Amino acid sequence: KQEVTQIPAALSVPEGENLVLNCSFTDSAIYNLQWFRQDPGKGLTSLLLIQSSQREQTSGRLNASLDKSSGRSTLYIAASQPGDSATYLCARGGSEKLVFGKGTKLTVNP
Amino acid sequence: NAGVMQNPRHLVRRRGQEARLRCSPMKGHSHVYWYRQLPEEGLKFMVYLQKENIIDESGMPKERFSAEFPKEGPSILRIQQVVRGDSAAYFCASSSTLAGGQETQYFGPGTRLLVL
Repeated sequence: KQEVTQIPAALSVPEGENLVLNCSFTDSAIYNLQWFRQDPGKGLTSLLLIQSSQREQTSGRLNASLDKSSGRSTLYIAASQPGDSATYLCARGGSEKLVFGKGTKLTVNP
Repeated sequence: NAGVMQNPRHLVRRRGQEARLRCSPMKGHSHVYWYRQLPEEGLKFMVYLQKENIIDESGMPKERFSAEFPKEGPSILRIQQVVRGDSAAYFCASSSTLAGGQETQYFGPGTRLLVL
C-alpha cells in the first residue's frame, strides 16, 4: 500500500525562523514528489516538483529535497513570514495518481 | 491561460438528492483527475479520465458515484442519492500529459459539498 506521512501535523513558529517540514513515503519507485500549499477553504497551489532523478528543487525561500533511498522529502522554508501560514501537503507521484499526506498546518506568528 | 475551473464552488444537497460537480481543465490539457478531501483527512484519489475514457477509477466508491469526460464540455463527477458522509471538498486536477512524467497536476479551487 502506498502511504505518505507528514510530520509534524501542526507547527507554530515566530516570524523570521527557518523551518523544515518532513514527508516520508513507503514506495521508493516514485515518479516525482510534489509539495503543495493549501489555504483554508481554497484549492491547492503547487510549490515545487522534484523528479525522481533529481535531489532538490528551489524556488525563492523554499527548498525541497528528495531522498528516494530513505523514502523521505523535506521542505525547507527560510525566514518564515506570517503569509506563509497555510497547510503544506506533499504528494507522491506515481504513473497516474498522486498520493497525498495529511499535511502540516503551519502558523507563523508575527 | 485560465486555470482549472470548477463549479459550483459550494453545493448544498439534502440526503437522497443528486450532486453534479463540473470541472473544466486548463486549455490544452486532456487528462483530468478527481480527488476528495474529507474533513481532517488528506486528499484521496478517486478517478482519472481522458477524453471519453475512464482510465483508472480505483478510488471511486462502488455505488452512487460516476464520472465522465465527454469529447465536448467539462468533466462531470456525479453523486446519486447523496448521504451525509459524502460531505467533503472535491478537487479536480488536470495535466497535459501523463502526470508521472515531467508534468505536474494543476488543481482547481474545489467544490465544497454539504449534505444536510
